[in-house]
Amino acid sequence: GAGVSQTPSNKVTEKGKYVELRCDPISGHTALYWYRQSLGQGPEFLIYFQGTGAADDSGLPNDRFFAVRPEGSVSTLKIQRTERGDSAVYLCASSFQGAGANVLTFGAGSRLTVL
Amino acid sequence: KNEVEQSPQNLTAQEGEFITINCSYSVGISALHWLQQHPGGGIVSLFMLSSGKKKHGRLIATINIQEKHSSLHITASHPRDSAVYICAVEKDSNYQLIWGAGTKLIIKP
Repeated sequence: GAGVSQTPSNKVTEKGKYVELRCDPISGHTALYWYRQSLGQGPEFLIYFQGTGAADDSGLPNDRFFAVRPEGSVSTLKIQRTERGDSAVYLCASSFQGAGANVLTFGAGSRLTVL
Repeated sequence: KNEVEQSPQNLTAQEGEFITINCSYSVGISALHWLQQHPGGGIVSLFMLSSGKKKHGRLIATINIQEKHSSLHITASHPRDSAVYICAVEKDSNYQLIWGAGTKLIIKP
């Protein structure tokens, strides 16, 4: 597609439920980043994929969070046993890892509300 | 010490003033990004730099690789420039993005 697409744009769920958030990056972009942003705060790094593999998952807050990118394009962020503190906007960005500097493109985000 | 430091953290100025936001980093990088986020809005990429200077409208971004420093300038600032401006660097070892804490800019009419 023309841009980074994230779905759903809004998700309201109950505490304890399982949630999946999807990111469809720009075609050909090999690098994919997940961030989350709580109200009034800057983006917090979660995980970074280079192709199919997670090059850096040090930002995942705990083992309830997991992300996959099985074919090196679409990525899914999975949150188990959601807690109210998980409420945030989850942002995805992608870039093409070629020689030199790479343009970074962000999706509009998925707003997660855990009641 | 954070690998990416931005200053100032907050900046309030009058419409028309020349604005400078600074970013210093301590790691080897392949690129530096300047990003903008309006209140309640998404993140927009303003510039991507690996050397020199780029200009887009009233925005100018410079980078000094030797000094590991970049600046974002806004000429003839306008209230609509009010936003958080974020500096992020791509580490040259693995392309991981390291973010600065952001600079909250308010331009008063």
